[in-house]
Amino acid sequence: GAVVSQHPSRVICKSGTSVKIECRSLDFQATTMFWYRQFPKQSLMLMATSNEGSKATYEQGVEKDKFLINHASLTLSTLTVTSAHPEDSSFYICSAALRQGDYEQYFGPGTRLTVT
Amino acid sequence: LAKTTQPISMDSYEGQEVNITCSHNNIATNDYITWYQQFPSQGPRFIIQGYKTKVTNEVASLFIPADRKSSTLSLPRVSLSDTAVYYCLVGVLDRGSARQLTFGSGTQLTVLP
Repeated sequence: GAVVSQHPSRVICKSGTSVKIECRSLDFQATTMFWYRQFPKQSLMLMATSNEGSKATYEQGVEKDKFLINHASLTLSTLTVTSAHPEDSSFYICSAALRQGDYEQYFGPGTRLTVT
Repeated sequence: LAKTTQPISMDSYEGQEVNITCSHNNIATNDYITWYQQFPSQGPRFIIQGYKTKVTNEVASLFIPADRKSSTLSLPRVSLSDTAVYYCLVGVLDRGSARQLTFGSGTQLTVLP
């Protein structure tokens, strides 16, 4: 149980275009989802916390207008990278928590974004 | 935020027991300690979680001293497939709280034949 999927697993886009990444909890309802970014040989950096039905909370230094997060249902959160640039190329990982106060988050397999 | 400190890397040989220690001096009363494993180009995978004393599951043990300022992940009889980065996280997931879980630098474990 507690499986999280991401789509697509890999995406290549041209500079200036927008890319949407989906994160789904397949067998549970996630009240909270998290989006991380990971550059090569670096640790995961939390970008934002997404609660179903409310606005996402962004970490300091993360542009909310560039990284649009929508958590429209208890099983789906999307991250849209708008006007992507080569420096946005990274590994994007989402995670989901089962319920409020749950101390365990379940991670998706990640999405490799390459902006050319 | 409860920061964590781990060794950057460790080497071991197949069949040995590996202990990775994480320091978290400013852990809060409500914080849990969680360890994750990450292979290249994959999302982290949950290994074990604990609050105090000792926790054991089918893949690892977690030792937490009484002061909770550190924790040790123990992997018995490692194999080549255990080569990965191991992250220690300290914190709590709470919708109403500003506290977030922060990944430290992690420990690159390399298991040698």
